Amino acid sequence: AQTVTQSQPEMSVQEAETVTLSCTYDTSESDYYLFWYKQPPSRQMILVIRQEAYKQQNATENRFSVNFQKAAKSFSLKISDSQLGDAAMYFCAYKKTSYDKVIFGPGTSLSVIP
Amino acid sequence: DAGVIQSPRHEVTEMGQEVTLRCKPISGHDYLFWYRQTMMRGLELLIYFNNNVPIDDSGMPEDRFSAKMPNASFSTLKIQPSEPRDSAVYFCASSFPGTSVHEQFFGPGTRLTVL
Repeated sequence: AQTVTQSQPEMSVQEAETVTLSCTYDTSESDYYLFWYKQPPSRQMILVIRQEAYKQQNATENRFSVNFQKAAKSFSLKISDSQLGDAAMYFCAYKKTSYDKVIFGPGTSLSVIP
Repeated sequence: DAGVIQSPRHEVTEMGQEVTLRCKPISGHDYLFWYRQTMMRGLELLIYFNNNVPIDDSGMPEDRFSAKMPNASFSTLKIQPSEPRDSAVYFCASSFPGTSVHEQFFGPGTRLTVL
């Protein structure tokens, strides 16, 4: 069965600095999707970034980028120039290409220190 | 589009009462998911539908939980009878596989408190 692990329950970063959140997953599939979702105190789940496993190039969305290491089954999220609005829970998620269930990790709570 | 709509946003009820949570997916989306989020168990998938048909309900915790999708624009999650351990935030999400990545769009959630 697929699993997603986030080994850092809590992280903190100074405003304007860079932080990296870790995620590992377990799968026997070769083609799949990976996601990072953000959940601020408002509870709304917001997609931050996504990566298709068949793409070697790491996805980037403005200040957010990923380091996708397929062989190591690692999918970390880097947030550059951290802002106060980045404070939230971040969930790593996995989805098989052909199946519709998304597997979420336990989340990492990110605090941004002014 | 207004996004995924859930009602109510907050529900407080007493143990033993019936609770009905409602969801309106994004128009055109043919997949609908119900999740439960708690501190202890994180985000759990309860059930999901495709074209109004339940596909996987293996996450439904007990027979006290039931979900229906009578049409493409409406789904309900019912708990009868409710228990204090059902207290959680319940999310509805929808997706459209016509996109390349099957991104799920989440509603704002319903915070349920069972006293």
